[in-house]
This record gives sequence, C-alpha cells and structure tokens, in this order.
Amino acid sequence: EVQLVESGGGLVQPGGSLRLSCAGSGFTFSAYGINWVRQAPGKGLEWVSYISGSGSAIYYADSVKGRFTISRDNAKNSVFLQMNSPRAEDTAIYYCTRIEMITIFDNWGQGTLVTVSS
Amino acid sequence: DIQLTQSPSSLSASFGDRVTITCRSSQRIDKYLNWYQQKPGKAPKLLIYSASNLQSGVPSRFSGSGSGTDFTLTISSLQPEDFATYYCQQSYNTPPWTFGQGTRVEVK
Repeated sequence: EVQLVESGGGLVQPGGSLRLSCAGSGFTFSAYGINWVRQAPGKGLEWVSYISGSGSAIYYADSVKGRFTISRDNAKNSVFLQMNSPRAEDTAIYYCTRIEMITIFDNWGQGTLVTVSS
Repeated sequence: DIQLTQSPSSLSASFGDRVTITCRSSQRIDKYLNWYQQKPGKAPKLLIYSASNLQSGVPSRFSGSGSGTDFTLTISSLQPEDFATYYCQQSYNTPPWTFGQGTRVEVK
C-alpha cells in the first residue's frame, strides 16, 4: 500500500525557519516525483513545489520562490521542504503528493499544519 | 499561468440527483485535467485523471469529460458520501500547476 506521511509542522515565527518532511513507503520511491501542495484555513488548494524522482528537476510556485527549498534523500525515502523567512500567508496545511505519469497527483499524505505567527 | 475557473462555486442537491460541475481553463490544456474530492478534515482524493479516466476504486457514478478548455465532472446519482468539495487541477506542460477554486456540494 502506498503511504505518504508528513511531519515537521508547527508554530514558527515570521522570518524564522521550519523543515517539513515527507516519508514514502509501499512503492519505489526514487521512481516518482513528489509535490508539496498547501491549503490555507478555509481556502482552496495551492501547488507549492515539485521535485522529480532523481531530484534533477525542481519547480516552485512564485509565492514561495527564493524562500522555500525542496530536496530529497532517496536512500531514506524522504522529501523535504525547507521553509525560510515564512510569512503569515504561508499558514496552511501542507500535503505531499506522489506524481504518477508526471501529471497526476495520485496519492496524498494526511498533511501537516504550519502556523506562522509571532 | 493557466487559470482554472469552476462553476458553480457551490450547489445544493438531493440524494439521487445528477450533478454536473464544470471547469474552464484560460488556455488549451489538451486532456491534462484531473478531478479531486475533499471531505472536511481529510486530504484530497483523486477521482478522475486525464479528463475522463476513472481512478481505481472510485465508483462508476463518477465520470469526466472534455478536452482543450472545457471540462465536466458528473455524478450520475448523488450518494450521501458524495457531499464534499470538488477541485479540478491542470498539469499541462511544466509547472506551475494550478487548481480550480473548488465546488462545494451540499445537502438540499
């Protein structure tokens, strides 16, 4: 069974830093791209970042470019999202999703809540 | 960036009703359009991929159609477990990938 489990969320001050993790199991982790998608309280879904299976292709939404960094460690079946200089508008549940056929978000984790507040 | 506009934003329906949700793209995206269902407090779940393909395990009352700029999600006979919010999402070409604003399906 495919499983994705996020961790690392919590309360962070504006301008601080936080590192989210996404651990995958039940599939050949290095063969799949992984996304981060977020959802602000009471709002819709927003794509945040993508990393390919090898880590050679990386993309960011304009709203986080230059502040967030995505990376992966295939030996540990994990993807990370380093959040630097977070802002109040980054407050959201952050989901990691597996990418099938480069275009389909076929499996989602349960999400981890990030709250940016002083 | 490609914008997706869903309509309606919300709707009220009864058990057994046929429900149709539309998603319009700001530019042609071939069939790179997926549909997700989200229930309160839960992660989204893939229903339909590549515009018209039913994800494994999803009931056959769900169907999708369209290509280019206009897409439709149809629930043929609404069941109690179908009351949720539905999102379309495009993954045409390289990111950024975008979602529609969501359609909330409520009990009439």
